[in-house]
Amino acid sequence: DAEITQSPRHKITETGRQVTLACHQTWNHNNMFWYRQDLGHGLRLIHYSYGVQDTNKGEVSDGYSVSRSNTEDLPLTLESAASSQTSVYFCASSGGDGMNSPLHFGNGTRLTVT
Amino acid sequence: AQSVAQPEDQVNVAEGNPLTVKCTYSVSGNPYLFWYVQYPNRGLQFLLKYITGDNLVKGSYGFEAEFNKSQTSFHLKKPSALVSDSALYFCAVRGVGRRALTFGSGTRLQVQP
Repeated sequence: DAEITQSPRHKITETGRQVTLACHQTWNHNNMFWYRQDLGHGLRLIHYSYGVQDTNKGEVSDGYSVSRSNTEDLPLTLESAASSQTSVYFCASSGGDGMNSPLHFGNGTRLTVT
Repeated sequence: AQSVAQPEDQVNVAEGNPLTVKCTYSVSGNPYLFWYVQYPNRGLQFLLKYITGDNLVKGSYGFEAEFNKSQTSFHLKKPSALVSDSALYFCAVRGVGRRALTFGSGTRLQVQP
């Protein structure tokens, strides 16, 4: 079955370090998204991509970057981790033009910045 | 800008009773509306969507949602709650021309035996 896999599931890092969270999907979806989930805020969009070499900023993109070199992967990089980036991060994907399609989510990465 | 409001942080209901989880939205143009459920330590799972057509949408696990354009609402309902329905529920909206979803803050549903 097709799936979307995030790694690692848990990560602890120190302030100022660079961290990369992996996302890999086997749906062959062209649309991929990164969200963060925080209590009281629901899910907020960090970055998204509509295809290879395409990346766009979401509503909370400061301090984060993504790159899309193939269809399957959209890694999220925290350039210099800050305590405010302690959160649960979800990757999602959707197919086609994305309008009628639901998002398929990974199981998340819990990141703690100390 | 598009937005979603879920006015209740938590909803408590007894098993066997009907449940409603409320959602209102704001978006330009016709909305694409979704409900998701999240169980502990898991990602979000798609329940149902409204794109166009009938105002009552049926989804997974016996859930349904009622779209009301004049009230800009998309409330999630189930005729008879189960203890296993206890989870976190998110409403989401997608405006015309956008592929990303905007989510509400979530409502925790607690079904008591």
